[in-house]
Amino acid sequence: GAVVSQHPSWVICKSGTSVKIECRSLDFQATTMFWYRQFPKQSLMLMATSNEGSKATYEQGVEKDKFLINHASLTLSTLTVTSAHPEDSSFYICSAPGDWGGDNEQFFGPGTRLTVL
Amino acid sequence: DAKTTQPPSMDCAEGRAANLPCNHSTISGNEYVYWYRQIHSQGPQYIIHGLKNNETNEMASLIITEDRKSSTLILPHATLRDTAVYYCIVKGGSNYKLTFGKGTLLTVNP
Repeated sequence: GAVVSQHPSWVICKSGTSVKIECRSLDFQATTMFWYRQFPKQSLMLMATSNEGSKATYEQGVEKDKFLINHASLTLSTLTVTSAHPEDSSFYICSAPGDWGGDNEQFFGPGTRLTVL
Repeated sequence: DAKTTQPPSMDCAEGRAANLPCNHSTISGNEYVYWYRQIHSQGPQYIIHGLKNNETNEMASLIITEDRKSSTLILPHATLRDTAVYYCIVKGGSNYKLTFGKGTLLTVNP
């Protein structure tokens, strides 16, 4: 199957700093990617839809100025957590849909664990 | 997308079949049933999906009832590595968004 990578796999930062997380589709192109957040013992919550060449679409309650998304190419989307605070500590996961054969199963990255001190 | 209901947890003995149920009584005609799983601290993994007919692949089988209001994911010979949270998701074929519920934590015991 297709592969989606994320970098870094984990990051620890101080409160008030910004952190950038990369999501790459390694062997296919993705005009759309998704960003999820998962708190401990909870399910994945969709944060936003990243669209290549246009603005991201954010889910209700997600601050677009805090979670900046840039879909710079057909294989790369980045999520920047600006002015991070301890409550932003979470597991961030991206995904990209596969379109071949009419199926659109999604391929998920391995996740990035963010810890804000 | 239609809502799904799954038991919060299930246990299964290693080597036995694991049958994970999912109710989706409000599913509409053009919505598919998808199954994903998430092993601890990893990204979710696609397992299988179907519309009406039963489906089988190298990982699992998906049985959808005739009225499509429920389905069962079957792992024929569960191993310890199948311990994970299994998510049943209903979505339209042209809709890329996945809405994750709480899923079922399957624990495979030796």
